[in-house]
Amino acid sequence: KQEVTQIPAALSVPEGENLVLNCSFTDSAIYNLQWFRQDPGKGLTSLLLIQSSQREQTSGRLNASLDKSSGRSTLYIAASQPGDSATYLCAAQAGTALIFGKGTTLSVSS
Amino acid sequence: GAVVSQHPSRVICKSGTSVKIECRSLDFQATTMFWYRQFPKKSLMLMATSNEGSKATYEQGVEKDKFLINHASLTLSTLTVTSAHPEDSSFYICSAATGALNTGELFFGEGSRLTVL
Repeated sequence: KQEVTQIPAALSVPEGENLVLNCSFTDSAIYNLQWFRQDPGKGLTSLLLIQSSQREQTSGRLNASLDKSSGRSTLYIAASQPGDSATYLCAAQAGTALIFGKGTTLSVSS
Repeated sequence: GAVVSQHPSRVICKSGTSVKIECRSLDFQATTMFWYRQFPKKSLMLMATSNEGSKATYEQGVEKDKFLINHASLTLSTLTVTSAHPEDSSFYICSAATGALNTGELFFGEGSRLTVL
């Protein structure tokens, strides 16, 4: 059974810092791995999707990497801004649906 | 990207009543939809997978008679919480697949917050 773990559970940084969020999964036989953003009381916003054959994806200040062999993915956020404050979820797709981690709650102070 | 709409976004009901939540794919046909449940400060837990025209597949531990799922068309799936109790209070989110399930093209609704008094 696929399990997804995210570290740290919470992170507070001052504006402008670069930061890394970590995600690990137990079953390396995944189709893809996705990173989402969730604002309080809201649904999910897809940030990046990495197919199993890919190593990384980039979108603006975000860069996500995938190492299937070690069961790890990282989300790198450059030059963080207060507007980046949210919960970041990673999810691995190994079957028909996504299995989510518990998320990392990020707070960026100005 | 594709848009998935959920309705209602918030609902408050009395214990013992039933509540229906709708999930619609607005600009694409979704052969498969998924229903998730999220408790405060917890991750999303898959409840069931819904395929158009067939019975939903429920995850272990999810009561199918409690959480009725109907996927009657390629653009609409509904989740009905029957005889709701306070412990059913949660955030329910649906997602829809636009194509082959292993391509990762999944889009999520905005969620529906259910509060049972």
